[in-house]
Amino acid sequence: GENVEQHPSTLSVQEGDSAVIKCTYSDSASNYFPWYKQELGKRPQLIIDIRSNVGEKKDQRIAVTLNKTAKHFSLHITETQPEDSAVYFCAASKQYGQNFVFGPGTRLSVLP
Amino acid sequence: DVKVTQSSRYLVKRTGEKVFLECVQDMDHENMFWYRQDPGLGLRLIYFSYDVKMKEKGDIPEGYSVSREKKERFSLILESASTNQTSMYLCATTASYEQYFGPGTRLTVT
Repeated sequence: GENVEQHPSTLSVQEGDSAVIKCTYSDSASNYFPWYKQELGKRPQLIIDIRSNVGEKKDQRIAVTLNKTAKHFSLHITETQPEDSAVYFCAASKQYGQNFVFGPGTRLSVLP
Repeated sequence: DVKVTQSSRYLVKRTGEKVFLECVQDMDHENMFWYRQDPGLGLRLIYFSYDVKMKEKGDIPEGYSVSREKKERFSLILESASTNQTSMYLCATTASYEQYFGPGTRLTVT
């Protein structure tokens, strides 16, 4: 089955710096890769996603890149702000609406 | 706006008790999921369902069962709770590709 690894497990950056979180997946049939943000005490929420027919997607300060050959994808956050502090999860899925396999999460701390 | 609710935010049960965790969604989605979330392990899929009366095992189904009698309701059952089932339990439903999560139930088994 699919296995998703995520690094680093914790990340601290200064406010205004960039943050990068990387994930690798094992199943080449996976074709959808979302990123979820979970603030303390709250439910995970989708922040950005990418499908396998696209190499990069950007939404304001957040971008995701996908390398299908190497089977890895990354989340990039620029100009980090304290409200970006949260746990971020990557995931991989093979089919529309089907169950996802999540990475173990990255705890991002943005220091003022 | 998708709304996913779970019956309890916090629950404390004793070892050996039968535990029911309920999830209700109001968007008429076919797909519903139960995950448990543990530090350093992320979200792990316990069971999922694509239709009423239908259920499929996820990655860690041992010690759990589920029930889907109505489309909007998906219940997770711990037949005989054990201390290693102490965890945060999250229900989710999908619309298009996005998974919408409930607020979670923090279950403590003593």
